Amino acid sequence: EAQVTQNPRYLITVTGKKLTVTCSQNMNHEYMSWYRQDPGLGLRQIYYSMNVEVTDKGDVPEGYKVSRKEKRNFPLILESPSPNQTSLYFCASSLGVRKSEQFFGPGTRLTVL
Amino acid sequence: GESVGLHLPTLSVQEGDNSIINCAYSNSASDYFIWYKQESGKGPQFIIDIRSNMDKRQGQRVTVLLNKTVKHLSLQIAATQPGDSAVYFCAENSGGSNYKLTFGKGTLLTVNP
Repeated sequence: EAQVTQNPRYLITVTGKKLTVTCSQNMNHEYMSWYRQDPGLGLRQIYYSMNVEVTDKGDVPEGYKVSRKEKRNFPLILESPSPNQTSLYFCASSLGVRKSEQFFGPGTRLTVL
Repeated sequence: GESVGLHLPTLSVQEGDNSIINCAYSNSASDYFIWYKQESGKGPQFIIDIRSNMDKRQGQRVTVLLNKTVKHLSLQIAATQPGDSAVYFCAENSGGSNYKLTFGKGTLLTVNP
């Protein structure tokens, strides 16, 4: 089954404790992206990747890192989480930003205390 | 499920009616647009896209209209069903070397049986 998976689905952590949210897709997609979703603000793009070892900032990259060592995986790293990073996070993938529809993962609800 | 509907414009329709959801975009350079549907507790799901060389595109029960003059996009849903109840987002991309997707804040559609 074609899908985007994220782990964990729910995470409660404390300020400053490094964490990684994993994202994996099985569709051989080149384009992958991370978004955060907050009430009243909609979806905002954090980082995206056009292909292996090619990443770039979205609209709200501060406080986040990403890596793309393999085509299928695109982890989101919070080196020192802060409460303002409490949000719902989505990973997505597609053949390209304009080539095909983006498939979204189920979301990760992160709470930083 | 996760609440993403706070502070959103809302549209309430009766089952069987047609729905029209509107989106104003800000970047006059945007030339690719997408509509997504997000049900409670799930990630966004692609509905339909349109490029700026078109002003109308039809899918199954959905039609997207693009008015570049006033930077306006609309999604029409024919014979709206209870399963159409969700938050609907438009997204835009300006092409060229821009690989970012910018999302609108969304509209909550509620279908009354």
